[in-house]
Amino acid sequence: EAGVTQFPSHSVIEKGQTVTLRCDPISGHDNLYWYRRVMGKEIKFLLHFVKESKQDESGMPNNRFLAERTGGTYSTLKVQPAELEDSGVYFCASSRLLAGVPRPDTQYFGPGTRLTVL
Amino acid sequence: AQSVTQPDIHITVSEGASLELRCNYSYGATPYLFWYVQSPGQGLQLLLKYFSGDTLVQGIKGFEAEFKRSQSSFNLRKPSVHWSDAAEYFCADGSSGTYKYIFGTGTRLKVLA
Repeated sequence: EAGVTQFPSHSVIEKGQTVTLRCDPISGHDNLYWYRRVMGKEIKFLLHFVKESKQDESGMPNNRFLAERTGGTYSTLKVQPAELEDSGVYFCASSRLLAGVPRPDTQYFGPGTRLTVL
Repeated sequence: AQSVTQPDIHITVSEGASLELRCNYSYGATPYLFWYVQSPGQGLQLLLKYFSGDTLVQGIKGFEAEFKRSQSSFNLRKPSVHWSDAAEYFCADGSSGTYKYIFGTGTRLKVLA
């Protein structure tokens, strides 16, 4: 079974440019999450999709970040325009949707995209 | 606010020595606790998890962790460290009632030959 994949692995862009990160979850996983780790800090939640719907986007820093999951499969996270403080590693994770189970299932993480904004 | 604390930013141990990485969580409800490891150039790999039941859980690569509610701790242990264990280790709490995990800041492990 293929794991969570992310593309690109690294991206270096100039301040003000646009970058789009892609995440392909594990097949059959309806839950998809984005997290970010800024250097030296903890990994922080950005948002959660259930299928194609945004369930929780409380962690999105501001409206320069736009996440989509059309068709409920892969997801993209666009940063436009990028700022210096957006640099970090962006992780995607996925998990199964467990009906009737009062706890979340284990999240499986991708390798991350390292974004550097110059 | 819910938080996870990993007090040790860096730990250095000799190969073959025992290891304990500390994790304290703050959320009071039923805990869903995880340890992940990130090796250089790799993604986050699940080592083990605790949802309920036996408070000593076994994971992959010879790791184990013990849940202690009285101390709000979920420390990770390994009796004999291998050079390949050098990596960054993250404790996470999924108990918030939503699906998001709260992570600690990570502990970077260095193994001396």
